[in-house]
Amino acid sequence: QVHLVESGGGVVQPGRSLRLSCAASGFTFRTYSFHWVRQTPAKGLEWLAFISKDGNNKYYPDSVEGRFTISRDNAKNTLFLQMDTLTTDDTAVYYCARDGDRWIDYVPYHPMDVWGRGTTVTVSS
Amino acid sequence: DIQLTQSPSLLSASVGDRVTIICRASQGIASDLAWYQKKGGEAPKLLIFAASILQSGVPSRFSGSGFGTEFSLAITGLQPDDVATYYCQHPSTYRPTFGPGTKVDI
Repeated sequence: QVHLVESGGGVVQPGRSLRLSCAASGFTFRTYSFHWVRQTPAKGLEWLAFISKDGNNKYYPDSVEGRFTISRDNAKNTLFLQMDTLTTDDTAVYYCARDGDRWIDYVPYHPMDVWGRGTTVTVSS
Repeated sequence: DIQLTQSPSLLSASVGDRVTIICRASQGIASDLAWYQKKGGEAPKLLIFAASILQSGVPSRFSGSGFGTEFSLAITGLQPDDVATYYCQHPSTYRPTFGPGTKVDI
């Protein structure tokens, strides 16, 4: 069975850091790219970061660029999200998601086809 | 950046109804649109990608259509298990964008 399991969430004070992990199983981890996405009641689903199969390409939205860092360990089938200088606005449920590399009529598509159940991050003093 | 809007934001219907959710993109995205279902404390679930391709294992009462800037998700024969929030997404590798969501209840 294909699974992604996030961990590392918790309660943290503003200005501090937190590192999330995402353990993968049931598929060949190194052959997929991945994303981190968070959900808040106010903003719904918000994309946070992308990392390519080999870890050499990483992309972020402006809202977290410079504060969040995505990385991966292909030997341990694990994805990470390092979050620094956290603010109360970062309070959310954080999900990792697999980038599904699909080809339809010679056109590539990249839906997020497998998701974890999420880990909750609460930033509060 | 491409912006996505959804309508309605809240949809209340009866079991067995056919319901439709609209997603509009701020610029043309061909057929590069996906739909997800999000229930309470569960993981988001991919329903549709490439605007109209049903993800494996998703019930056939779900269908997607559209191209360019206007897309729709239809549920034909609404079931109690379909109570959820539905999100459209432009799944660009470089800057994926989600719509604000449509909450469906019975």
